[in-house]
Amino acid sequence: DAGITQSPRHKVTETGTPVTLRCHQTENHRYMYWYRQDPGHGLRLIHYSYGVKDTDKGEVSDGYSVSRSKTEDFLLTLESATSSQTSVYFCAITRGLNTEAFFGQGTRLTVV
Amino acid sequence: GIQVEQSPPDLILQEGANSTLRCNFSDSVNNLQWFHQNPWGQLINLFYIPSGTKQNGRLSATTVATERYSLLYISSSQTTDSGVYFCAVEETSGSRLTFGEGTQLTVNP
Repeated sequence: DAGITQSPRHKVTETGTPVTLRCHQTENHRYMYWYRQDPGHGLRLIHYSYGVKDTDKGEVSDGYSVSRSKTEDFLLTLESATSSQTSVYFCAITRGLNTEAFFGQGTRLTVV
Repeated sequence: GIQVEQSPPDLILQEGANSTLRCNFSDSVNNLQWFHQNPWGQLINLFYIPSGTKQNGRLSATTVATERYSLLYISSSQTTDSGVYFCAVEETSGSRLTFGEGTQLTVNP
């Protein structure tokens, strides 16, 4: 199994509070991704990183920010959580472009 | 962006039956993967198959990149095959995977 750890695995938070999800990898892969999974939408890309301090937006980036200060860690922050951000969040890693992606176990976030 | 369509959306089988899942995509791709999401939510890699045919036990996959589709074959299905099967592609000009909406497979004993 690819060495990807997401934390926390479950979180319940209140509307308007900041939330940070962490993805940690031990594979030294260059690319890291954050996806969200919602019923009827499959998985949609939020943000991704192609190196330390190099990030770009995905298709559903509004309301989210990311940071990558080390190769192994990719953080996803909801500055002010809303109920529409209730979802399951997955982190993924790839060695490079057009290479196999591996996913973490997911974080279930509920915003009440 | 690239569009990914999976069919059928839902499939119910009796244990031991065979099935074929299809993934159509709207543009050229350099990467195509099949995943199985089990009932606990884990995404499990099945195949990395941008072209050609691969087999792994009871599962096999074929991608015909020139015709923009991929097929996942499941033979002699088991109850543990239940879950959602996702196809994901990376277009030639892109740097991320785009997912289809999945096929929900239920295998009854």
